Amino acid sequence: GAVVSQHPSWVICKSGTSVKIECRSLDFQATTMFWYRQFPKQSLMLMATSNEGSKATYEQGVEKDKFLINHASLTLSTLTVTSAHPEDSSFYICSARVIGGRIRGSTDTQYFGPGTRLTVL
Amino acid sequence: AQTVTQSQPEMSVQEAETVTLSCTYDTSESDYYLFWYKQPPSRQMILVIRQEAYKQQNATENRFSVNFQKAAKSFSLKISDSQLGDAAMYFCAYRRNTGGGNKLTFGTGTQLKVEL
Repeated sequence: GAVVSQHPSWVICKSGTSVKIECRSLDFQATTMFWYRQFPKQSLMLMATSNEGSKATYEQGVEKDKFLINHASLTLSTLTVTSAHPEDSSFYICSARVIGGRIRGSTDTQYFGPGTRLTVL
Repeated sequence: AQTVTQSQPEMSVQEAETVTLSCTYDTSESDYYLFWYKQPPSRQMILVIRQEAYKQQNATENRFSVNFQKAAKSFSLKISDSQLGDAAMYFCAYRRNTGGGNKLTFGTGTQLKVEL
């Protein structure tokens, strides 16, 4: 249980275009999902918290108009990088929060997707 | 604000030996969770072990165990009988139990190498 998928696993796009990344919880419902960014050999930096049916909460310094988050259902959150530029190239990871009891042994834990590598040319 | 510190950027261990990864944290909360996550070269984050702060007993998961010292705010991970598949980046993480938006605060990671 507690499987999270991301699509696509990698994407290359031209500068100025928009890219959408999907995060799905496959075998559970997630009222809360999180989006992280990770640079090479660095830790995960939380970008925003995605709440089903409401606006996302962005961390300080993250442009909400640049990184659009939609959490329209209990199993899907999307991150859209708008007008992407080379400095947006990074590894983007989502996680979904499992609330205790719904999956054996989970007890309110975040489970992570496999990540999406974005390269902006 | 909570901070998580991993003072060992890299560690090496011989196959079948034991290694301990260090983690310290700073918080004024009394109710929280601590986690160790593993990130292998595939970059998939995998939960290794979880500790609830109100539990005095150290968590164990097969070859993985923790030494949780609440007063010292220390949360080290011990890997016994190390295997080649244990080679990965290991992140220590903290989360408040109430409030805080359920956000995880990660340490900077420790790269573990397993040698034959």
